[in-house]
Amino acid sequence: DTAVSQTPKYLVTQMGNDKSIKCEQNLGHDTMYWYKQDSKKFLKIMFSYNNKELIINETVPNRFSPKSPDKAHLNLHINSLELGDSAVYFCASSTWGLAGRSTDTQYFGPGTRLTVL
Amino acid sequence: GQNIDQPTEMTATEGAIVQINCTYQTSGFNGLFWYQQHAGEAPTFLSYNVLDGLEEKGRFSSFLSRSKGYSYLLLKELQMKDSASYLCAVRSSGAGSYQLTFGKGTKLSVIP
Repeated sequence: DTAVSQTPKYLVTQMGNDKSIKCEQNLGHDTMYWYKQDSKKFLKIMFSYNNKELIINETVPNRFSPKSPDKAHLNLHINSLELGDSAVYFCASSTWGLAGRSTDTQYFGPGTRLTVL
Repeated sequence: GQNIDQPTEMTATEGAIVQINCTYQTSGFNGLFWYQQHAGEAPTFLSYNVLDGLEEKGRFSSFLSRSKGYSYLLLKELQMKDSASYLCAVRSSGAGSYQLTFGKGTKLSVIP
């Protein structure tokens, strides 16, 4: 009954490959996010989707393409992987637009540790 | 843009009280969150402040002063399991969306 789940937990791959990370939430939330946490533990927003629509797209290389087939899923596809892509990628979800009446707290998945060799 | 500052590391003794400070500069302030992150794990929600004052939740309390751009997380009766990174995050609104910006985290070590 995991709230936010991600697969795989670990991903080791060669430079230049294409890979995907999957995220699913069963909290009934309508907003999902991808964050990148680098080796210095700095957690930075990459993308946010609300009701399958992209609402936040930070300065991220276009090799990264999020896809949201439905409200409960947000996948991240990465083309032509580079060494600098090595990091932990966290998916998160929250309610939306109720700030002021609720916290719209973001709940995080367990993370995917990506290592590019 | 957003700017969030918190100390990089702190050390405290088991059973003691520790205060972790966070200062921020942002436009469109819409709430401040504290998260706890144990090594190798996901951040987990601890507290939320949107109005000035103190929010208490068991051993943890969080304070906010919007006019000063300042918050702190207070941990009482420290336990060894409280050793973790504590992330201050500010939510801001703009262009029809909300965004959560995290500080770099404070690594707390609790020693016997």
